[in-house]
Amino acid sequence: DQQVKQNSPSLSVQEGRISILNCDYTNSMFDYFLWYKKYPAEGPTFLISISSIKDKNEDGRFTVFLNKSAKHLSLHIVPSQPGDSAVYFCAARDNNAGNMLTFGGGTRLMVKP
Amino acid sequence: ETGVTQSPTHLIKTRGQQVTLRCSSQSGHNTVSWYQQALGQGPQFIFQYYREEENGRGNFPPRFSGLQFPNYSSELNVNALELDDSALYLCASSLDPSDNYGYTFGSGTRLTVV
Repeated sequence: DQQVKQNSPSLSVQEGRISILNCDYTNSMFDYFLWYKKYPAEGPTFLISISSIKDKNEDGRFTVFLNKSAKHLSLHIVPSQPGDSAVYFCAARDNNAGNMLTFGGGTRLMVKP
Repeated sequence: ETGVTQSPTHLIKTRGQQVTLRCSSQSGHNTVSWYQQALGQGPQFIFQYYREEENGRGNFPPRFSGLQFPNYSSELNVNALELDDSALYLCASSLDPSDNYGYTFGSGTRLTVV
């Protein structure tokens, strides 16, 4: 039972345009959501997060939107740059279930120059 | 300030063998979490250690065990290896157990079981 799903395994966008990565979840007890970026041969690095009490968090070119009623979150990257090409993971935390993060399967983003 | 280092980077083992993977946490971090990432999937939580005690465990069998040492470095041990154990094993350290957004991941150990 996948509690966090990223339904698009890959996404290709042109440099300068917007990248939108999507994530759906089923567990209504999740209270914190995070996005990680992973380059080949490196560990995931934290990108941006959002608490379940908010619907938007912005950090430079990166914005995360949370729609609790739809159990959906998205990561917007504007403008996209070739260096953004990586695998992006959505993760969620249930504060009542210990400290584990539940990850989605990832979306490979390719930004073309 | 050093990051999280994992060793070895790659490993090939035979089914039924035992393996030990090692992780040195980032300076100042007292919590270590281990994740398994199978090919094409997201990382899955194995367990977390905080101040040398197990502090949470995911849905993994008892043949997956761990240790944390007084310097907060950690080991992941897997007994009776199965082919499905082939994966990237990631270690992440943090300042404390609740500091998920402060996770620092290592580059992982790629384990292949043949």
